[in-house]
Amino acid sequence: GENVEQHPSTLSVQEGDSAVIKCTYSDSASNYFPWYKQELGKRPQLIIDIRSNVGEKKDQRIAVTLNKTAKHFSLHITETQPEDSAVYFCAATPNTGNQFYFGTGTSLTVIP
Amino acid sequence: SAVISQKPSRDICQRGTSLTIQCQVDSQVTMMFWYRQQPGQSLTLIATANQGSEATYESGFVIDKFPISRPNLTFSTLTVSNMSPEDSSIYLCSVGDREDKAFFGQGTRLTVV
Repeated sequence: GENVEQHPSTLSVQEGDSAVIKCTYSDSASNYFPWYKQELGKRPQLIIDIRSNVGEKKDQRIAVTLNKTAKHFSLHITETQPEDSAVYFCAATPNTGNQFYFGTGTSLTVIP
Repeated sequence: SAVISQKPSRDICQRGTSLTIQCQVDSQVTMMFWYRQQPGQSLTLIATANQGSEATYESGFVIDKFPISRPNLTFSTLTVSNMSPEDSSIYLCSVGDREDKAFFGQGTRLTVV
């Protein structure tokens, strides 16, 4: 089955700096890659996603890049704010069935 | 996005007992899933809840331990059977939409004592 690896496991940045989280996947059939943000005690919330036919997608301060050849994708957060502090999970799905395989998570702390 | 209601939100259970978690969606959805999130860990897919047929379980999860029902397109239950402290975790249901996006219930925080 699919195996998703995520790095780093923890990340601290100063407010206003950028944060980058990287994921790799193993199944070349995976074609959809969402990113979720999970605040303490809350459910995961979808923040951005990308499909295999696109190399980059941006939504305000958040962007995701995908390299299908290398089987890796990254989340980029610019101008970080304290409210960006949370655990971020990448995921991949090898088909259109919506069952996701998640990375191990990155705990992001934005220091005011 | 679909509105997903999951209950109970939390429970403390004695070992050896079973707990059934309910997931209700405000619209008909084809795909429903159950995940487990152990403390401080990632989400692990338990099974896909199939309407009208048996659930499809991921490696490491079996029907006897995690029986699942899916009587219609808006509802599913997950039972955690014969619980032990190792089953202490957050259990989340998830639904998918036609654009492959997945949304989660608020989770059930289970503590087994």
